[in-house]
Amino acid sequence: DIVLTQSPDSLAVSLGERATINCKSSQSVLLDSNSENYLAWYQQKPGQPPKLLISWASTRESGVPDRFSGSGSGTDFTLTINTLHTEDVAVYYCQQSYSTPWTFGQGTKVEIK
Amino acid sequence: QVHLQQSGPGLVKPSQTLSLTCAISGDSVSSNNAAWIWIRQSPSRGLEWLGRTYYRSKWFYDYGVSVKSRITVNPDTSRNQFSLQLTSVTPEDTAVYFCARGKWGKFDFWGQGTLVTVSS
Repeated sequence: DIVLTQSPDSLAVSLGERATINCKSSQSVLLDSNSENYLAWYQQKPGQPPKLLISWASTRESGVPDRFSGSGSGTDFTLTINTLHTEDVAVYYCQQSYSTPWTFGQGTKVEIK
Repeated sequence: QVHLQQSGPGLVKPSQTLSLTCAISGDSVSSNNAAWIWIRQSPSRGLEWLGRTYYRSKWFYDYGVSVKSRITVNPDTSRNQFSLQLTSVTPEDTAVYFCARGKWGKFDFWGQGTLVTVSS
């Protein structure tokens, strides 16, 4: 199984500042045949299902604010939230679909400092 | 817009079978470019992909190793829904269960979640 390890487990950021979350994969999730990284990011708020934010490592989903961005390739990925808003308080997960079983990172909790 | 509505009991006795259903609107369980997935979430296991079914001229099924001997995911084309059955449950199967649509490996629509407690 591909193991995804996120860091940090939690972080506190001041409103308007930047939050950076890392996701490291135990093996590459880059498919050579199409040069796509099979890595997605989700946001989960209490009592809700996860919400898809970013797919293919860096493609923002429709309706997701542009302060959210994803980067990285192969085994190392980053989710960046620029200018943190109150409504961004949540747990964030990375997820790979390169090979089954599809797996998730353990989550990173983002709070307001 | 796709909507997934989950139904099923929130309490199951140990050794019995957990059964949940996910009704689909806005898409078809027989879609040839989607997969229909069950995921669970617990404090001990985090988010865990359990299995999927999808149609590509015929039905395919794919299950996670941790539940492979106990799980069945079935499509119901007449009702446009799919189901989860997990047999021989133990308290370790206590979790919030989600259904979701998968497209190119990303889970773009989710059900509301069902807390299932395994207890006598």
